[in-house]
Amino acid sequence: GQQVMQIPQYQHVQEGEDFTTYCNSSTTLSNIQWYKQRPGGHPVFLIQLVKSGEVKKQKRLTFQFGEAKKNSSLHITATQTTDVGTYFCAGDQAGTALIFGKGTTLSVSS
Amino acid sequence: DSGVTQTPKHLITATGQRVTLRCSPRSGDLSVYWYQQSLDQGLQFLIQYYNGEERAKGNILERFSAQQFPDLHSELNLSSLELGDSALYFCASSVSSGPLSTEAFFGQGTRLTVV
Repeated sequence: GQQVMQIPQYQHVQEGEDFTTYCNSSTTLSNIQWYKQRPGGHPVFLIQLVKSGEVKKQKRLTFQFGEAKKNSSLHITATQTTDVGTYFCAGDQAGTALIFGKGTTLSVSS
Repeated sequence: DSGVTQTPKHLITATGQRVTLRCSPRSGDLSVYWYQQSLDQGLQFLIQYYNGEERAKGNILERFSAQQFPDLHSELNLSSLELGDSALYFCASSVSSGPLSTEAFFGQGTRLTVV
């Protein structure tokens, strides 16, 4: 079945450093979504990418969808302590179901 | 507040027992997803319902079952509980009326502890 892999599993950075998490699917995706889960919280939607090669920005966050629609990345510039949490990518194949990666847990020290 | 309501928030029960988790989706959302989150296991997809019908199934155990009712709320039934079933169970809802999954809104989760 469809699998979505994320790396790294954990990442620790100093405040102000950049951070990137990568997501790879075993199959071509219709779209990819990114979510953030704060410690003790529930996943919250960040963004959805649909088009091949799409790049979207939200302030310090940059999201990319690969040309083959099988991989994606989330890059955070100049991390802040408020960026702490677990970032999940989630993909589907033509609206079957949202399959989540295992997430990348980001910790930031000031 | 995501608009998705899950009850109860916490549940402690003994091995071998049966429990029911309840989810009320956001108003207007027809699709309901159930996920299990264990330590270091990410969000494991269990099952999806769309407008009362099962739409997709993940690695859901035979001891687990779910349904979506005419008012669109959903219940996840877990039976013959084992220690390993202890986890956070999330419900999410989305509009999902087209061919692509749309943004999913998650509830606060039900923390199940099996002792």
